[in-house]
Amino acid sequence: EAGVTQSPTHLIKTRGQQATLRCSPISGHTSVYWYQQALGLGLQFLLWYDEGEERNRGNFPPRFSGRQFPNYSSELNVNALELEDSALYLCASSSSFQGFFGPGTRLTVT
Amino acid sequence: GQQLNQSPQSMFIQEGEDVSMNCTSSSIFNTWLWYKQEPGEGPVLLIALYKAGELTSNGRLTAQFGITRKDSFLNISASIPSDVGIYFCAGRNYGGSQGNLIFGKGTKLSVKP
Repeated sequence: EAGVTQSPTHLIKTRGQQATLRCSPISGHTSVYWYQQALGLGLQFLLWYDEGEERNRGNFPPRFSGRQFPNYSSELNVNALELEDSALYLCASSSSFQGFFGPGTRLTVT
Repeated sequence: GQQLNQSPQSMFIQEGEDVSMNCTSSSIFNTWLWYKQEPGEGPVLLIALYKAGELTSNGRLTAQFGITRKDSFLNISASIPSDVGIYFCAGRNYGGSQGNLIFGKGTKLSVKP
């Protein structure tokens, strides 16, 4: 069974640009979570999608947005990038009880 | 909102020592999960706990779901260098509006050979 996949692995952008990160959940999982992990820090909850709808979002500005597609894959968009958006962005897919993470996308904003 | 307090923040131990870390919550959870993250990678699920009082082992790792459903601990016995990483606890509660995984801030483990 394939795990959670994320693309791209690395992304380098400049301030003010937009970034799009993608996540494919484990087959059969309908929930996708996005987390931001700045260097050396814990996991900050960004967004939760389930069955195509946004169910909850963390304490992040509106320039962080996303969506979930009918096949349950998901996209995270970050507009008007700022230097402090540089981080590892992790996606997790969830069955009823467990969450499994992808390898992450390392976003660097210069 | 729900919060998890994970302690300690970091640990520096000698190879062969036992390790203990815990998480406490301001509210109850139906599920506790423990993850390990190695540098540059996503967290990997180590142990999942589903019932209050449940004690589950995975090799040298043992985790327990607290009776009050507000806490959980993870023990690592006879630590080895490859145990190095950040350990996260996570809780889930299906009864409330939040179904999302709530994470602790992590315990960074360093093992000296």
